[in-house]
Amino acid sequence: EAGVVQSPRYKIIEKKQPVAFWCNPISGHNTLYWYRQNLGQGPELLIRYENEEAVDDSQLPKDRFSAERLKGVDSTLKIQPAELGDSAVYLCASSPSTGKMISENIQYFGAGTRLSVL
Amino acid sequence: GQQVMQIPQYQHVQEGEDFTTYCNSSTTLSNIQWYKQRPGGHPVFLIQLVKSGEVKKQKRLTFQFGEAKKNSSLHITATQTTDVGTYFCAGPGGGSQGNLIFGKGTKLSVKP
Repeated sequence: EAGVVQSPRYKIIEKKQPVAFWCNPISGHNTLYWYRQNLGQGPELLIRYENEEAVDDSQLPKDRFSAERLKGVDSTLKIQPAELGDSAVYLCASSPSTGKMISENIQYFGAGTRLSVL
Repeated sequence: GQQVMQIPQYQHVQEGEDFTTYCNSSTTLSNIQWYKQRPGGHPVFLIQLVKSGEVKKQKRLTFQFGEAKKNSSLHITATQTTDVGTYFCAGPGGGSQGNLIFGKGTKLSVKP
């Protein structure tokens, strides 16, 4: 079974440029998460999807960040324009669902995209 | 807001020594999860604890969930170089069912 797939693995851009990250979750996983991980820190949630619905985007800086999961499968996270402080690893994770069974909340992470903004 | 705190932030051990990391939540948790992130890698799920006072073992790793379900620990017996990485605990929270709040992690280095 394929894991969570993210691309690209690395991205270097100049500030004020746009950038997009792509994520394909594990097949059958309804819940998809985007996290940002700064150096020496734990993952911090940006947005959570249940199928195609963004059920929690309270931590997403909406002035410059946007995300979509149009068909409830793969997802794209965009930053426009990027700032120096956006340099981080962007992780995508998926889980079967956030239903009644606690075990369904276990998250499976992709390899991440390391973004460097110069 | 809800917080999940881990100590220590760093731990350097000689191969063969034991290692313990502690996790504390500001609120009672329905469950706690542990993840391991190797250098340059991504978090990988290790285990989930659900019951008060629960203890689970995975080979040399022992996980405990406190009686009050607000703290947890991970203990590694006789560390090996393969144990190198950052260990994160995570608990449900952030105001929305299904979200996890991660601690800042404990970075373990093992000297051969």
